[in-house]
This record gives sequence, C-alpha cells and structure tokens, in this order.
Amino acid sequence: GAVVSQHPSRVICKSGTSVKIECRSLDFQATTMFWYRQFPKKSLMLMATSNEGSKATYEQGVEKDKFLINHASLTLSTLTVTSAHPEDSSFYICSARPWTEGYEQYFGPGTRLTVT
Amino acid sequence: AQKITQTQPGMFVQEKEAVTLDCTYDTSDPSYGLFWYKQPSSGEMIFLIYQGSYDQQNATEGRYSLNFQKARKSANLVISASQLGDSAMYFCAMREAPYNQGGKLIFGQGTELSVKP
Repeated sequence: GAVVSQHPSRVICKSGTSVKIECRSLDFQATTMFWYRQFPKKSLMLMATSNEGSKATYEQGVEKDKFLINHASLTLSTLTVTSAHPEDSSFYICSARPWTEGYEQYFGPGTRLTVT
Repeated sequence: AQKITQTQPGMFVQEKEAVTLDCTYDTSDPSYGLFWYKQPSSGEMIFLIYQGSYDQQNATEGRYSLNFQKARKSANLVISASQLGDSAMYFCAMREAPYNQGGKLIFGQGTELSVKP
C-alpha cells in the first residue's frame, strides 16, 4: 500500500518554542492532507484539512495562529506548533489522499510531542 | 452533521473466538463511506475494511467482516478467530461523499479490544 511518513517521530521541546512536523507521501501525490490530534486512549480529532497551494481549512476550535499548516507541494505538508505550551503535548497524526479517484486515505506513523 | 458512535470502551474476547465491535452513525448525505481502523500501542493507524453506502454486499477482508445494516445506521466489525495480535484500539470512521477529495474522515470514540490466551 501507499506510504506516508512523518518526521520527527518523537520530539521534546521547551515551553515557548516552536516545533515543525513534516508529513510526506512517499509514493503518491496528495492534493489533500489531513492533520489529527490524539490524546491517550482517546479518538482522533481532526484539526485541519490541508490543500496543496492554498490555505488550510481549520476545524472549529482549532487556533490557526498556533497550529500553522503549509502544504507546499503535492507530497509535503507541515504542521508548526508555535509558542508551544505543555497543554499542546499530544500525538499528532497526518494522513493523505491520493489525487486519483478512490476512497483510500493513508496515515502517517504519528509524532509524539512533549512540551516541558 | 455527520456523527459516529462507538459505545463499547473496552471488550474482552477469548483467543480463537469471534468478536463484534459496535458502530452506529448518523448522516443526512445518501453517499458515504464507513471505515474501520486498528491502532496498536505503537500508534500507527492500520486500515482494515471499507463499506460504501451503495454497496449491496457486506464488505469482507480476511478475518474481518463488516455487518452493514443501513436502515439501522450501524456498521459493526466482526473479527473471526481472534488472535493475540488483535489486541488494540479499534476505530470506526465515516466520510460523507467518500470519493470527494475534500471529504473529512470523522472517527468514533474507539473500542479497546483485549484478546485473552
């Protein structure tokens, strides 16, 4: 199946700093990528839909200025957590849909962010 | 608005037995897709099975089958012959207009399955 990678897999940062997470579709082009957040033993919460070459669409309640999303190419989307705080600590998962027709949606392995 | 509900926070099953994980949904869109994912402790999301709203037959993939009851708006996952490696979180998800590029995949609360030896 198609592969989506995320980097880094784990990151620890200090409060007040910014962290960038990359999501790449390795063997297909993705016009649409999605970013999810997951707390332990909880469901995946959709944060935003990332469209190549245009602004991301954020879900209600997600701070656009805190979670900056850039979908610069058909294979790369980035999520930057700005001025991180301990409450931003979470598991962040991206997913991507191939531009070709189909229902498939492929997930990255996730990034565990810990803000100290 | 679309909604997905999983009412079983945790389930236990004996190895080699079958188990059913419940999922109900709500949507006003006649075209939608239902998905099941497995999430082991490593965190990766593993796609298991897909059912389209217009599919006439219930989806099957190896030991996984989806019991799709459209009138009741339910899409239960059946795992036959459980294995120890099946222990994981299981999520039901739905996307309206499943082939639409911008369609959002929304997840249920999840069910934690534990397989006993």
